[in-house]
Amino acid sequence: GDSVTQTEGLVTLTEGLPVMLNCTYQSTYSPFLFWYVQHLNEAPKLLLKSFTDNKRPEHQGFHATLHKSSSSFHLQKSSAQLSDSALYYCALSDGSNYAQGLTFGLGTRVSVFP
Amino acid sequence: EAAVTQSPRSKVAVTGGKVTLSCHQTNNHDYMYWYRQDTGHGLRLIHYSYVADSTEKGDIPDGYKASRPSQENFSLILELASLSQTAVYFCASSSGTGAYEQYFGPGTRLTVL
Repeated sequence: GDSVTQTEGLVTLTEGLPVMLNCTYQSTYSPFLFWYVQHLNEAPKLLLKSFTDNKRPEHQGFHATLHKSSSSFHLQKSSAQLSDSALYYCALSDGSNYAQGLTFGLGTRVSVFP
Repeated sequence: EAAVTQSPRSKVAVTGGKVTLSCHQTNNHDYMYWYRQDTGHGLRLIHYSYVADSTEKGDIPDGYKASRPSQENFSLILELASLSQTAVYFCASSSGTGAYEQYFGPGTRLTVL
């Protein structure tokens, strides 16, 4: 079956420094990959999604590149902000049946300090 | 962005009791989903639906039933609530086009005592 593996646990960093969250996946068919962000006591919100044409999606200063050769979709930002403190999920939709729901990683909590 | 609402936002239930969680979306999406969120497990799919009056089992359906009476509404039913079902439950919807990205409701915090 499909699986997603993320940087585990808690990532702490200082405001202004770069952040990178790792995401690797296993899927038999060509999946779509997503990053969702969840702030405290809120719903998960879509942050980025992969494109089929190798474009690099960007949103709110975050970007991610789908590398099919290494089955990875790492999330990066050049300069972290205090408001980036949140729980981040990497997820995929199965290429054999995109409609049957997303497979999520366990999530990575990011805490940004002044 | 999809508008998905859930009710109740929080609930305390007794072991063995029946619990119904409701979800409503107003964006004409065909696909709807129920996930539970637990620390250490992330988000896991319980049930989903492609169309009204039809539901499908997800990855962890045991102990849960689902109902899709209309395109807009999708309910999750716990016939005999158990302590292990204490969690936050999220409903999501998708248009079923493009990358099938999903939009989530605000969640229901369920505590079973």
